[in-house]
Amino acid sequence: AQSVTQPDIHITVSEGASLELRCNYSYGATPYLFWYVQSPGQGLQLLLKYFSGDTLVQGIKGFEAEFKRSQSSFNLRKPSVHWSDAAEYFCAVGPTAGYSTLTFGKGTMLLVSP
Amino acid sequence: EAQVTQNPRYLITVTGKKLTVTCSQNMNHEYMSWYRQDPGLGLRQIYYSMNVEVTDKGDVPEGYKVSRKEKRNFPLILESPSPNQTSLYFCASSPIRQGAKSSYGYTFGSGTRLTVV
Repeated sequence: AQSVTQPDIHITVSEGASLELRCNYSYGATPYLFWYVQSPGQGLQLLLKYFSGDTLVQGIKGFEAEFKRSQSSFNLRKPSVHWSDAAEYFCAVGPTAGYSTLTFGKGTMLLVSP
Repeated sequence: EAQVTQNPRYLITVTGKKLTVTCSQNMNHEYMSWYRQDPGLGLRQIYYSMNVEVTDKGDVPEGYKVSRKEKRNFPLILESPSPNQTSLYFCASSPIRQGAKSSYGYTFGSGTRLTVV
């Protein structure tokens, strides 16, 4: 069965500093991979997704993620964090065969300090 | 605007009183799903549907029902709500991967915060 691990429950980053959120997945082959963001009181918004090809994926709001097959990882990065990036971030994995069910990690809460 | 609409946004009810949370999408997506979100547990899937009249259980289906009579609608029904169903609920939709790889991925509703007292 597929699974996703986000090892950090909370992360605090200073505004303007770089950010990396970790995501490790378990799957029998290369899955489809996603990052979503949830701002307080809001639904989840898709930041970026990886299907195949270039392992560095660009998303919205200046985020990027890198797929590393050897490490079963899909870490999210941003070079300079803004206060508005404070939110909860979810990594998700979807199977490459079958239908659309995604499995989500438990999320990482990002706090941005002045 | 492409979107998933959930209603209501907030709901307080009493134990045992049947309720329905509605979900509607305007993107002609085949796949729809319900999740609940609880602190420390992340998102857990309740039910999903791959098309009209096709539904299946997710990871935490107990105490919930769904129906898919029309492609756009996927209501979540709590026949006899209990306090342990107090949670934040999300509906999501997606095209079936094979037909629309480039747009594959969930679009979420804004959520329904349910409190059962």
